[in-house]
Amino acid sequence: QQQVKQSPQSLIVQKGGISIINCAYENTAFDYFPWYQQFPGKGPALLIAIRPDVSEKKEGRFTISFNKSAKQFSLHIMDSQPGDSATYFCAASTNGGATNKLIFGTGTLLAVQP
Amino acid sequence: DAEITQSPRHKITETGRQVTLACHQTWNHNNMFWYRQDLGHGLRLIHYSYGVHDTNKGEVSDGYSVSRSNTEDLPLTLESAASSQTSVYFCASSREQTGELFFGEGSRLTVL
Repeated sequence: QQQVKQSPQSLIVQKGGISIINCAYENTAFDYFPWYQQFPGKGPALLIAIRPDVSEKKEGRFTISFNKSAKQFSLHIMDSQPGDSATYFCAASTNGGATNKLIFGTGTLLAVQP
Repeated sequence: DAEITQSPRHKITETGRQVTLACHQTWNHNNMFWYRQDLGHGLRLIHYSYGVHDTNKGEVSDGYSVSRSNTEDLPLTLESAASSQTSVYFCASSREQTGELFFGEGSRLTVL
C-alpha cells in the first residue's frame, strides 16, 4: 500500500522551463511534507519542506504548493537548469516531522535538456 | 565536519549468507533509520531507532535486524540473504527539532 503517490515517474523539461511533480496522500494525520533531491550515486538531501498551515512555500526557484482539502502537494521548479537533473522524492510524516519517520513517494527522475 | 558514513559501499554476496551493513554518524543524533531504494518503490523504511537500545520495525522489516548499542552506530544485518534483498540501502539520521533527515551515500548490495 503506497501511502504517498507520486507522479510522473519521469519528466523531461527544456532548460528554462517549469518542472512540476505531484504527490497525493491519504493519511490525514500527515502534517509535514518535505521534498528530497537525489543525484546519482548520492543519498537524498532535503530540498524544501512545508507544513499544512500554509498553502505555498518558496525557496529560490523551488516552490511547494499544498492543497489540504485535496490531500495533494506539488513541487514546482521554475527556470529549470541542467544542474536540476536528479531524482526527486516527496515524503510525508506525522507529528510535525519530529518523529522523522518519513513515508516516501516512488520518486520522479527529472532530466533538464540544455 | 560531522557526517554519516556507510560501509561497505558495494557488496556482492550469495543467497543464505549473513551480511551486515555498517552505519556511523558523528552528529550525535538520537534518531537513525535504514531505508532501501528500489526502482518503482522509492525509499522504504526497514528499521529505525530513537536512541540507544531502542529499535523499531518499519514497513519492510522481514529478513532484517538492527541493534543500537551506542548513539553513533546502527548496523543493519541480513540474517540469511535472499535475492529479493538486492537493493541500495541508505542509512539516515536526524535532528528531532527540524525533521530533516541526513542520508549516507548508500550501500549497494547484490545477492546472487
